[in-house]
Amino acid sequence: DAKTTQPNSMESNEEEPVHLPCNHSTISGTDYIHWYRQLPSQGPEYVIHGLTSNVNNRMASLAIAEDRKSSTLILHRATLRDAAVYYCILREGSSGSARQLTFGSGTQLTVLP
Amino acid sequence: KAGVTQTPRYLIKTRGQQVTLSCSPISGHRSVSWYQQTPGQGLQFLFEYFSETQRNKGNFPGRFSGRQFSNSRSEMNVSTLELGDSALYLCASSVPSSGANVLTFGAGSRLTVL
Repeated sequence: DAKTTQPNSMESNEEEPVHLPCNHSTISGTDYIHWYRQLPSQGPEYVIHGLTSNVNNRMASLAIAEDRKSSTLILHRATLRDAAVYYCILREGSSGSARQLTFGSGTQLTVLP
Repeated sequence: KAGVTQTPRYLIKTRGQQVTLSCSPISGHRSVSWYQQTPGQGLQFLFEYFSETQRNKGNFPGRFSGRQFSNSRSEMNVSTLELGDSALYLCASSVPSSGANVLTFGAGSRLTVL
């Protein structure tokens, strides 16, 4: 199984940028890099995904290393509502056979007022 | 557009009983996957279904089973419940043909085994 490695926890001050790293050295060519976050008492929600190029959406930016063995989720201005567990996972992009999905322990982001 | 619906949201069972959890995916999503979340083990993959066929299964005992119906709704069943089965069970749906296979999760079913 393709695995990801993330720091257990990170802190940020409100209104400041946050860079959440993820290592995925066993990524394969067809794997998309997905980020999800889980707020307390809720199911995970999609944040962003990418394949090779950096991606931006209204929630965040995703920076992908050239060798694709690592990526960084960037929250440009952290708010208290961004406090959550952030998961980086690899998701096979084809409609063919699926692999097990490994979420890992994620990064608990604490945002300080 | 309705999200992923899981029922029941909360339930309490006793050891030895069985439980069935239901998941209604987003309309048009044909893939459904299930996860168990516990404080100690985090989010663990149970199984994934596509077009009524199980495509992959996680490392769980045979007491955990699932199925998917022709309308893409899915159920999972846990037989002979053990205390360690107490967890939040999450379901997610996706459109496998979309390329990135983005997952949309439900709010989960919280099972307590006494």
